[in-house]
Amino acid sequence: QVQLQESGPGLVKPSGTLSLTCAVSGGSITTSNWWTWVRQAPGKGLEWIGEMYHSGSLSYNPSLRSRVIISMDKSKNEFSLNLSSVTAADTAIYYCARLSVGGREGGYDSWGQGTLVMVSS
Amino acid sequence: EIVLTQSPGTLSLSPGERATLSCRASQSFSSAFLTWYQQKPGQAPRLLIYGTSRRATGIPDRFSGSGSGADFTLTISRLEPEDFAVYYCQQFGTSPWTFGQGTKVEIK
Repeated sequence: QVQLQESGPGLVKPSGTLSLTCAVSGGSITTSNWWTWVRQAPGKGLEWIGEMYHSGSLSYNPSLRSRVIISMDKSKNEFSLNLSSVTAADTAIYYCARLSVGGREGGYDSWGQGTLVMVSS
Repeated sequence: EIVLTQSPGTLSLSPGERATLSCRASQSFSSAFLTWYQQKPGQAPRLLIYGTSRRATGIPDRFSGSGSGADFTLTISRLEPEDFAVYYCQQFGTSPWTFGQGTKVEIK
């Protein structure tokens, strides 16, 4: 059973760059899945950030596209999120997730536990 | 983008009762692309239902989904203590993929 684990700094200064990594274990990142980042501001709902396929295909939320980069390191079986020019509005729990092999018809069937990132000076 | 509106915002029910949660979209999309998640405090969301009505692995049959077009429903036939949580719908019909704001099912 695949497991996902986020890691990265829990505190980022305003105007800085938020960088997180999602380590995938129990399965290869080169399978037929899209690998995704979702965030949740404190006490709020879920927001899709973007996703990547092992072929290099990418898709980002237009609301964040100018600031987001998602990348993948197949040798380490992990993928990453970089969000630049952060503000307090980017304070959230960040989740990595796997889109099932069914793709858009299957939903996110595996999630990391989430990591809280606060943007503060 | 497709906006999903969930209602009610909070549902106060007792164990054993039936819960009916609504998810309405700002525009229609294929029912193949509607998903439901359950989230408990301090936990990541968990996949419940995909393709509007298909239960994910390990999800009990008291959970069911229905709907089409722009109107979808999650039904919990008889609430168990572990079902009290927040439920989110999500659409994959048109990018960006969006979530509803959630319905909290709380113990009455």
